[in-house]
Amino acid sequence: DQQVKQNSPSLSVQEGRISILNCDYTNSMFDYFLWYKKYPAEGPTFLISISSIKDKNEDGRFTVFLNKSAKHLSLHIVPSQPGDSAVYFCAAKKDTGNQFYFGTGTSLTVIP
Amino acid sequence: GAGVSQTPSNKVTEKGKYVELRCDPISGHTALYWYRQSLGQGPEFLIYFQGTGAADDSGLPNDRFFAVRPEGSVSTLKIQRTERGDSAVYLCASSLTSSPGQGNEQFFGPGTRLTVL
Repeated sequence: DQQVKQNSPSLSVQEGRISILNCDYTNSMFDYFLWYKKYPAEGPTFLISISSIKDKNEDGRFTVFLNKSAKHLSLHIVPSQPGDSAVYFCAAKKDTGNQFYFGTGTSLTVIP
Repeated sequence: GAGVSQTPSNKVTEKGKYVELRCDPISGHTALYWYRQSLGQGPEFLIYFQGTGAADDSGLPNDRFFAVRPEGSVSTLKIQRTERGDSAVYLCASSLTSSPGQGNEQFFGPGTRLTVL
């Protein structure tokens, strides 16, 4: 049962434009959300996180938005750069326990 | 290096054999996690250690899988009687703490690609 879903397996964006990656979850017990970036042959790298008490967290070119009522979060990258091309995973954690639940990933390609 | 390291990077074995996968976490990180990532999927939780003890092993698929962390640092994932369906990338991650919020972010190693023929 996939509790964290990334319904877009791939996304292509022109350099300089905004990239928007989406993530939906089903479990209302999730209270902490993260985005990871993964290059081929490497492990995922932490990018940005958000607690359920917030609806927005910003770090440089990366902003994560959380809509708890819709059980939806998104990652905005602006402006997009070719080096942002990677697979992006959304992950969520319950308020109890330490298990992280990952989505299936979205492959982002930023076209120069 | 300062990151999480995993050995071997690749492991090819025959069905029915026993394999061990090793993880060296970041020094000082008390929490250690094992994940399995199959092709086209996200990482799937297997087991979590806090110090030396397995605090949550609910993700281990069956009793062929076992993991240890005897001194609270290096961890070994052990798979007995391997099956073709065990083929995947096995990822290890560590974090400074296991509490929500800052410091909880997991740092991943590059993974071990296991192929069972």
